[in-house]
Amino acid sequence: NAGVTQTPKFQVLKTGQSMTLQCAQDMNHNSMYWYRQDPGMGLRLIYYSASEGTTDKGEVPNGYNVSRLNKREFSLRLESAAPSQTSVYFCASSEFSTVNTEAFFGQGTRLTVV
Amino acid sequence: TQLLEQSPQFLSIQEGENLTVYCNSSSVFSSLQWYRQEPGEGPVLLVTVVTGGEVKKLKRLTFQFGDARKDSSLHITAAQPGDTGLYLCAGARRNTGNQFYFGTGTSLTVIP
Repeated sequence: NAGVTQTPKFQVLKTGQSMTLQCAQDMNHNSMYWYRQDPGMGLRLIYYSASEGTTDKGEVPNGYNVSRLNKREFSLRLESAAPSQTSVYFCASSEFSTVNTEAFFGQGTRLTVV
Repeated sequence: TQLLEQSPQFLSIQEGENLTVYCNSSSVFSSLQWYRQEPGEGPVLLVTVVTGGEVKKLKRLTFQFGDARKDSSLHITAAQPGDTGLYLCAGARRNTGNQFYFGTGTSLTVIP
């Protein structure tokens, strides 16, 4: 099983450019998430989708937009990249319907904005 | 501000030593997970604890959930170089839209 697949793995953008990070999961999970990880700050939630057709802001949504295209896919868009958005981005999915819930993560996208 | 605070942030120990990592919050969680992350990879689940006071063991790792379901600890006995990595705790809450709240992380280095 592929699990959670993110593309691209690496990206360099110039300030002001736009891009979309893609994420797909093959585990039929209801919930999907986008996090960013910066040194010393753990994982911070950008946006999440509790179920297909819904999206909500997380802790750090400014400068980002998301689309839950279908149950499998959840994309993250940077409309006008800024150096402060240099980070490692992780997509995750979860069933979140049982007591022993778990988040499954992709391998991450390392984004540098120059 | 982070909902979950982990301590210590960095830990460097010799092989064979014991260590404890703490994960604290003022909020109650329906469950709490511990993840381990290797460089260049996403976090991978180690354990989930659900009941207040619950203790789970995974070989040399012992996880405990606080009685009030607000805090947790991870204890490693006789650490080995293979334990090196970033350890993250995460609290799950259903009443806020199926969110996971991650701690600040503890970077562990075990020196041979």
